[in-house]
Amino acid sequence: EAQVTQNPRYLITVTGKKLTVTCSQNMNHEHMSWYRQDPGLGLRQIYYSMNVEVTDKGDVPEGYKVSRKEKRNFPLILESPSPNQTSLYFCASSLRSAATNEKLFFGSGTQLSVL
Amino acid sequence: GDSVTQMEGPVTLSEEAFLTINCTYTATGYPSLFWYVQYPGEGLQLLLKATKADDKGSNKGFEATYRKETTSFHLEKGSVQVSDSAVYFCALSATSGTYKYIFGTGTRLKVLA
Repeated sequence: EAQVTQNPRYLITVTGKKLTVTCSQNMNHEHMSWYRQDPGLGLRQIYYSMNVEVTDKGDVPEGYKVSRKEKRNFPLILESPSPNQTSLYFCASSLRSAATNEKLFFGSGTQLSVL
Repeated sequence: GDSVTQMEGPVTLSEEAFLTINCTYTATGYPSLFWYVQYPGEGLQLLLKATKADDKGSNKGFEATYRKETTSFHLEKGSVQVSDSAVYFCALSATSGTYKYIFGTGTRLKVLA
């Protein structure tokens, strides 16, 4: 089944404790991206990747890191989480990076709470 | 810069009522326009899309027409069901500078039996 898989679904952590949220897609998609969803703000892009080893900042990259060493995986790293990073996070992918009419496939989300 | 504005919710309707969720956009160039739906506890999934002016996207009884003259992409459904209760996001995809999607803030729809 074609899908984007995120783990974990729920995560509670404390300020400053490094964490990684994993994302994997099995559709051989070029483009992958991370979003955070906050009430009243909709989805905001954190980072995106046009292909392996090609990543760039989205609208809200501060406090986050990503890597794209393999085409299928795009982990989101919080080196020193803070309470303002408490949010619902989504990974998404699309087949091609340079086309504006591409559909995004989303993972099921990761609810992160930073205490 | 590019942006998407959609009506605030929540929108509460009775089953079989007519639905309109307004969406307007600002963009340079010729963006593609999308509606995504998010059911409780799930990720977003594409509902419909339109890639050029006057295109109409449709799916599951929902429709939206790409209106360049009014920069709008309003979502409509003639008769809603309880199962349509979800959050709806309007979005655009453009290449002004970098390839990216821009989402609206989402509109929560609740349909009562």
